[in-house]
Amino acid sequence: DTGVSQDPRHKITKRGQNVTFRCDPISEHNRLYWYRQTLGQGPEFLTYFQNEAQLEKSRLLSDRFSAERPKGSFSTLEIQRTEQGDSAMYLCASSSYRDLRNEQFFGPGTRLTVL
Amino acid sequence: KNEVEQSPQNLTAQEGEFITINCSYSVGISALHWLQQHPGGGIVSLFMLSSGKKKHGRLIATINIQEKHSSLHITASHPRDSAVYICAAFTSGTYKYIFGTGTRLKVLA
Repeated sequence: DTGVSQDPRHKITKRGQNVTFRCDPISEHNRLYWYRQTLGQGPEFLTYFQNEAQLEKSRLLSDRFSAERPKGSFSTLEIQRTEQGDSAMYLCASSSYRDLRNEQFFGPGTRLTVL
Repeated sequence: KNEVEQSPQNLTAQEGEFITINCSYSVGISALHWLQQHPGGGIVSLFMLSSGKKKHGRLIATINIQEKHSSLHITASHPRDSAVYICAAFTSGTYKYIFGTGTRLKVLA
């Protein structure tokens, strides 16, 4: 079991560029979550997938953000036309529908810096 | 006011001290999750509880559902306990967490 992995771990980009992050959940987990964490704050929910279906999306997720999970396994989070306010740690987590407690397991995060 | 509040926000302790971190929530929850986050971002699960008390090594977590309050205790604290501790409420009827802002703990040798 390799746990939840995220790629890249760090991304530095210039304002206005597009970036894409990838998350690979624990293999038998059908639920996948994206969170954003800014410095000194707790993570904030962005979106949630059950298998390939995106079931919930936060109002924090503006039109510049899009997330996909095309085959119900890995997921991508794309940010278009990045802004300095997008600088944050982007965390992915996964859980199993078999776990009634829905315990979520987190990846190491992708730290985005927008210059 | 956040739906999940933690206190204190920052805590400095001497090695060996008993530490308590508090978490209060205003939403209906199915469970509460205590997480540890080290510098660099990685989040590690400590406890998930919906009632009573759980213990693992020097860590103890308690929850009082009626009072909507949970505590994380660290006995005989050690510098390697230095991290940010986050409580996350698993809300009834949804699958998402609502996180507290975290408590930054520093344990001095």
